[in-house]
Amino acid sequence: AQSVTQPDIHITVSEGASLELRCNYSYGATPYLFWYVQSPGQGLQLLLKYFSGDTLVQGIKGFEAEFKRSQSSFNLRKPSVHWSDAAEYFCAVGARAGTASKLTFGTGTRLQVTL
Amino acid sequence: NAGVTQTPKFQVLKTGQSMTLQCAQDMNHEYMSWYRQDPGMGLRLIHYSVGAGITDQGEVPNGYNVSRSTTEDFPLRLLSAAPSQTSVYFCATRPGTGGAGNQPQHFGDGTRLSIL
Repeated sequence: AQSVTQPDIHITVSEGASLELRCNYSYGATPYLFWYVQSPGQGLQLLLKYFSGDTLVQGIKGFEAEFKRSQSSFNLRKPSVHWSDAAEYFCAVGARAGTASKLTFGTGTRLQVTL
Repeated sequence: NAGVTQTPKFQVLKTGQSMTLQCAQDMNHEYMSWYRQDPGMGLRLIHYSVGAGITDQGEVPNGYNVSRSTTEDFPLRLLSAAPSQTSVYFCATRPGTGGAGNQPQHFGDGTRLSIL
């Protein structure tokens, strides 16, 4: 069964500092990988996705993520955090095969940005 | 273009009451799903549908019923609410019905449900 681990429940960074949010997955083959962001009181918004090809993927709002097969990781990065990035971030893994197979989410990392 | 619309946004129920959470989409997406979000547990899939007349169970289906009579609507029913069903419920849709990864999901803004 597929699973996702986000080891950091809560992270605080200063505005302008760099950010890396960790995500490790468990899946028997190359998965589909996603990062979503959730602002308070809102639904989830897709930041970026990895399907195949270049292992460094660019997303919206200046985020990027790197797929590392050897480490089963898909960490999210941003070189300079803005106060508006404060939110909860979810990593998710989807199976490549099967009919309408499910998307499995991690438990989320809450990002706080200090000014 | 409204995308995914969930109603109501907030609801308080007493134990044993029934209610229906509504989800409507205007994107002609085949796949629709319901998740619940609980602190420290991320999002867990309750039920999903790959088209009108077709539904299936997700990870935590007990206590919930669904039906899909049209492409646009996918209501979630609680037949006899329990305090353990206090949660935030999200409806999500995507155009493809194949493996979960071929298209990202679009989420509604959620329904916050409290069961007393």
